Amino acid sequence: QVQLVQSGAEVKKPGSSVKVSCRASGDTLANSAFNWVRQAPGQGLEWMGRLIVMSNSTIFAQRFQARVTITADKATSTAYMELNSLTSEDTAVYYCARTAYPTYYYYGMDVWGQGTTVTVSS
Amino acid sequence: DIQLTQSPSFLSASVGDRVTITCRASQAISRYLAWYQQRPGKAPKLLIYAASTLQRGVSSRFSGSGSGTEFTLTISSLQPEDFATYYCQYVNIYEFTFGPGTRVDI
Repeated sequence: QVQLVQSGAEVKKPGSSVKVSCRASGDTLANSAFNWVRQAPGQGLEWMGRLIVMSNSTIFAQRFQARVTITADKATSTAYMELNSLTSEDTAVYYCARTAYPTYYYYGMDVWGQGTTVTVSS
Repeated sequence: DIQLTQSPSFLSASVGDRVTITCRASQAISRYLAWYQQRPGKAPKLLIYAASTLQRGVSSRFSGSGSGTEFTLTISSLQPEDFATYYCQYVNIYEFTFGPGTRVDI
């Protein structure tokens, strides 16, 4: 069974970037897509984007398109999400979540990381 | 873009109660809907996908129904561990949209 373990909490200055990692274990990475979902304090869930490992293709929510990069390192079974030009509104818990082959959406997000808290403050 | 609304946004219930949460889509989405449970301070947990298919390992007291624009999540007999926030989600090859959530409280 796949498990996702994320990197630790980050504190960043406005205008900087943050890169969060998500390491997969227990199953082949090749049949997975990695989604990134964030949750601002006291707010709901917001999907940011997805990378399909097999094809290395990405798609992003429109509001994040210009600022987010999602990559994966197959050798270490690790996915990364980098968010640029941070503002205080990016303060949130960031989750990675898997969607599975073959459609990468139909079966929902079945495995989640534990979340990474990113705080943006001057 | 598809928009999802949930009702109620908050409900107060007791152990043993039957609880129903509704999710409505701004346009027809067939059965491309999932439900998640999120306990405070924890990551969301997938309960149901394809509107009514129970995720492996999830208790059978959870059930989902609906298609098109109206969907429901039912908890047949509320247990103490079920007090949480529940989100519906539209799933699509191009986007994933979450509903605003329904908080179930004691």
